[in-house]
Amino acid sequence: QKEVEQNSGPLSVPEGAIASLNCTYSDRGSQSFFWYRQYSGKSPELIMSIYSNGDKEDGRFTAQLNKASQYVSLLIRDSQPSDSATYLCAVNREADTGRRALTFGSGTRLQVQP
Amino acid sequence: ETGVTQTPRHLVMGMTNKKSLKCEQHLGHNAMYWYKQSAKKPLELMFVYSLEERVENNSVPSRFSPECPNSSHLFLHLHTLQPEDSALYLCASSQDLRPGRDYGYTFGSGTRLTVV
Repeated sequence: QKEVEQNSGPLSVPEGAIASLNCTYSDRGSQSFFWYRQYSGKSPELIMSIYSNGDKEDGRFTAQLNKASQYVSLLIRDSQPSDSATYLCAVNREADTGRRALTFGSGTRLQVQP
Repeated sequence: ETGVTQTPRHLVMGMTNKKSLKCEQHLGHNAMYWYKQSAKKPLELMFVYSLEERVENNSVPSRFSPECPNSSHLFLHLHTLQPEDSALYLCASSQDLRPGRDYGYTFGSGTRLTVV
C-alpha cells in the first residue's frame, strides 16, 4: 500500500466550477498535511496546510481533513485556467525518529477548461 | 537573492563523469532536503540535514553523496551514475525538524539531470 495515494487524473473541470482533489494516507500517526501545486517544469509551491479535523479556508482554496478516515482533500472554488497544474498531497508524521520528512503522493493533474 | 537557489538548472553527464549539484537557501531555515522526482512517480526523499547534521539517508545508492557544510548550503555529489538516475533533483528547506506546525517546505527550482 502506498503511503500517500492520489488519483493521477487528469481531472478536467470547466472554468468557474469547483475542483475537488482527494488524498488518502496510510500512517495513522500522521499529524500535518500539506497541499502543493506544481506547474509543468516548475518546482512545487506550498498552497495550504492543515492539522486539525475539519475545514480550513484560504481564499478560493479549502482544505478538508478527516483523520478517522485518513482522508484529506482540497477544494478549489471558481477554478481558473491558471489553476491547471499538478497538485501534490504531502503528510508529515511528527515525534517519530524514523521519519521526519514529508511523504508525497504522486499528484493529481488538474485541467481547467476555458 | 531570496528563497532556495539551485544550480545548475540542467545537467547532462556521462556515466563515468563526476558532477555536483548545489543548493543555497536564504531563508534562515535549519533543515534542508534532497528529493528526486521521476516521471509519474512521487517525490522520493533522498537525504535530510538538520543544522548540518545528516539525520536521514533514505537508502540512497552510494553514487549519490551529500554534503552540508553549513545550514545555508547543500551539495549533492554525483559519480558513476546510471541512465535510470535521470530525473529532476529538488532541494528544499524548512524552518526546523522539531515537532510543530507550519513547517512546510520551500523548494528550489530543481536540477534536470540527464545521464547518457
